[in-house]
Amino acid sequence: EADIYQTPRYLVIGTGKKITLECSQTMGHDKMYWYQQDPGMELHLIHYSYGVNSTEKGDLSSESTVSRIRTEHFPLTLESARPSHTSQYLCASSEHSMNTEAFFGQGTRLTVV
Amino acid sequence: SQQGEEDPQALSIQEGENATMNCSYKTSINNLQWYRQNSGRGLVHLILIRSNEREKHSGRLRVTLDTSKKSSSLLITASRAADTASYFCATDRGSTLGRLYFGRGTQLTVWP
Repeated sequence: EADIYQTPRYLVIGTGKKITLECSQTMGHDKMYWYQQDPGMELHLIHYSYGVNSTEKGDLSSESTVSRIRTEHFPLTLESARPSHTSQYLCASSEHSMNTEAFFGQGTRLTVV
Repeated sequence: SQQGEEDPQALSIQEGENATMNCSYKTSINNLQWYRQNSGRGLVHLILIRSNEREKHSGRLRVTLDTSKKSSSLLITASRAADTASYFCATDRGSTLGRLYFGRGTQLTVWP
């Protein structure tokens, strides 16, 4: 089991609510990522970070925002949830060097009603 | 845009049979990785193969890489019902930044 944790695992929330998806890792990894995945589809990178105070947008446009105040913590926030945000959100981390694997959390299944 | 494209999209076999999944990609790479995902869960890393390697083994898994054809294959020998999952290939598109680009995966079902 990888030492990367996401909470909550499942979240059903009403339109317009603000939500924060938590992601923490205890491996001391500099690099962290958020992917979005719809059922049966590929993973799309929405945010990544190479260290504290470093955040970048990924390839898939997302209305979410992220922060990296501590190495181990990489939360994702949606200021106003909409049904189009319904998806699975996967957090991952990896070491700084090249040719290294990514470790994934169990994911958060978000449903906006 | 999608980098890896897995083939087939779905594969259904009996326990004890071998399962072969293929992945094609479009750019240069430093490495190619295979991951497994059980339904509704996170991804678990299986094997990383570097661009200068042609074959790697890990237990019942065998991965090949042909950079001239920009393709890779994952072979699972003597499949078990517990191997039922989605299998994804991912590449780095030649970047050193650690970002991975995934395909849509192959859904493998192994019947007991």
